[in-house]
Amino acid sequence: NAGVMQNPRHLVRRRGQEARLRCSPMKGHSHVYWYRQLPEEGLKFMVYLQKENIIDESGMPKERFSAEFPKEGPSILRIQQVVRGDSAAYFCASSPKGTSGTDTQYFGPGTRLTVL
Amino acid sequence: DQQVKQNSPSLSVQEGRISILNCDYTNSMFDYFLWYKKYPAEGPTFLISISSIKDKNEDGRFTVFLNKSAKHLSLHIVPSQPGDSAVYFCAASAREYGNKLVFGAGTILRVKS
Repeated sequence: NAGVMQNPRHLVRRRGQEARLRCSPMKGHSHVYWYRQLPEEGLKFMVYLQKENIIDESGMPKERFSAEFPKEGPSILRIQQVVRGDSAAYFCASSPKGTSGTDTQYFGPGTRLTVL
Repeated sequence: DQQVKQNSPSLSVQEGRISILNCDYTNSMFDYFLWYKKYPAEGPTFLISISSIKDKNEDGRFTVFLNKSAKHLSLHIVPSQPGDSAVYFCAASAREYGNKLVFGAGTILRVKS
């Protein structure tokens, strides 16, 4: 039973380039969450998606960041025109329901983005 | 506004002894609490959770205690093993806010053999 998959595990971009991070949830899970961890900090919520719907994007920066979870394929977190401050570990999590406050989220291994 | 706080950045414990990791929260709307363990360069691994209607949940060597009046929870690991050395994150969610987790900054646990 495969867990949450993320790729790439490491991504290096130059300032101004685009970064695309992919996440495939656990089998049977239809809810995906993205979190960001800056150095020496805890994880911070970014966005919560169901298939073809953004449920909560209250943690997403207003510009340059977008997320989608299409009907087919993985969820994508896209960062346009990256800046050095975007360097962080980005974690994806999935849960089976997402309709209550008691669904456990299971995390992927993360993508470590480095902006040069 | 840090709603979930882990005030001890690190903890060192002898193998075989009890490890107690603490977490405080400020938002009384939180109704579900989780502990995750994280090794370097890996994602957080779910350990144990507790709903606000309970005050204790136990799973093997791990027990989580919740004191709602004090807005405090703790994770007990007994007996501690060297493989438990990792960063432990406390997280909370509220039905009111959907399913998003609010994390503490983490506590580094070192278990010495």
